[in-house]
Amino acid sequence: SSELTQDPAVSVALGQTVRITCQGDSLRSCYASWYQQKPAQAPVLVIYTKNNRPSGIPDRFSGSSSGNTASLTIAGARAEDEADYYCSSRDSSGSHWVFGGGTKLTVL
Amino acid sequence: QVQLVQSGAEMKKPGASVKVSCKASGYTFTSHWMHWVRQAPGQGLEWMGIINPNGGTTLHAQKFQGRVTITRDTSTSTVYMELGSLRSEDTAVYYCARDVSTSVDGMSGWWFDTWGQGTLVTVSS
Repeated sequence: SSELTQDPAVSVALGQTVRITCQGDSLRSCYASWYQQKPAQAPVLVIYTKNNRPSGIPDRFSGSSSGNTASLTIAGARAEDEADYYCSSRDSSGSHWVFGGGTKLTVL
Repeated sequence: QVQLVQSGAEMKKPGASVKVSCKASGYTFTSHWMHWVRQAPGQGLEWMGIINPNGGTTLHAQKFQGRVTITRDTSTSTVYMELGSLRSEDTAVYYCARDVSTSVDGMSGWWFDTWGQGTLVTVSS
């Protein structure tokens, strides 16, 4: 399968923890990566390969994976975390890459 | 530092072609494959294709087969994406993104670690 499924929208109270999930068959053999995108900006990598953060990404962002589901967790959400989040992986066929439909995170 | 700088906004008529460039700097150009990703207004990210700058091998999403051509110029560390037979639905921001990959615990991982600033392509009569 070449699809990754995300919930379209999730909300979290300021300071609370939120989990954003991504499901797809390709995740059984390939780790997901996660991207944050704010309005009118290019996406920014926040998590890659299991649970790795690029330099400059706060440690409140973490990733996990089990079976066909990958998760991005934000612990102690801040107002600046309000954004669209996308997961991505290489397709099971190995010849394509795919993105999830994106999750719009609202921080209340 | 790693940087990807794309060409400026384009306005095209339906049926025309557009060629977007992405100039890489701050790393060895031939060491990383390069992706093209697009985003239509208000929509999500859509993978278009990838090129290996070391040799020029490409892969494309089935959706763009026959319409997209991805090339590179190693002398200028620049990757190009040309999309033909443009239609209004091709109006989008087009991004280049550098590929990084590894293998951990028997599973592979790929990610886009650096993105260009995006190029808006508007298709309108």
